[in-house]
Amino acid sequence: GESVGLHFPTLSVQEGDNSIINCAYSNSASDYFIWYKQESGKGPQFIIDIRSNMDKRQGQRVTVLLNKTVKHLSLQIAATQPGDSAVYFCAENYGDDKIIFGKGTRLHILP
Amino acid sequence: ETGVTQSPTHLIKTRGQQVTLRCSSQSGHNTVSWYQQALGQGPQFIFQYYREEENGRGNFPPRFSGLQFPNYSSELNVNALELDDSALYLCASSLALAAQGDEQFFGPGTRLTVL
Repeated sequence: GESVGLHFPTLSVQEGDNSIINCAYSNSASDYFIWYKQESGKGPQFIIDIRSNMDKRQGQRVTVLLNKTVKHLSLQIAATQPGDSAVYFCAENYGDDKIIFGKGTRLHILP
Repeated sequence: ETGVTQSPTHLIKTRGQQVTLRCSSQSGHNTVSWYQQALGQGPQFIFQYYREEENGRGNFPPRFSGLQFPNYSSELNVNALELDDSALYLCASSLALAAQGDEQFFGPGTRLTVL
């Protein structure tokens, strides 16, 4: 499959460590946020979402934090595994019908 | 796998031609959204169809059009192709509206190259 990750900023993390991927959003009217994972040759895959009335939401090995004051979103992945290697996108909804994707971050796992 | 399929996988066209890309959604999913992903960029929303009617459009010109059919298949049509239309085109299906919290399931995409 094609290599999705070649042109994105890269975060390199040691296998077993925790990863933190950050995202700044620009629209203060955004009320719904989603993190997606995109592996090479595949479409984006939903990881976790959060609404603007929450600050934190946890899933299996993942946590999303939302700081509305500074318009910042982060995705924390615990005990990073080789299978976590991918490009990660934050996405937001302004309150209409569109999901707007942000810039991606490539997560590279070091052995 | 997501249960969403797209065809063809790859396509090469020349400037000025027309192209039709196809998507098969998960059965029961009433919403299909189409995205354009240029190399090194995040997916950009083109438009969304809900129960066969357009229900939201991004900043794309009218030469990008779509159709959604009752059998959960859909099409993206692009007329008068331009070089900048070269990209990965993704479709995503959801039960209802993704913006209201319904998970989107993406297909693997169609890579369009315009020469």
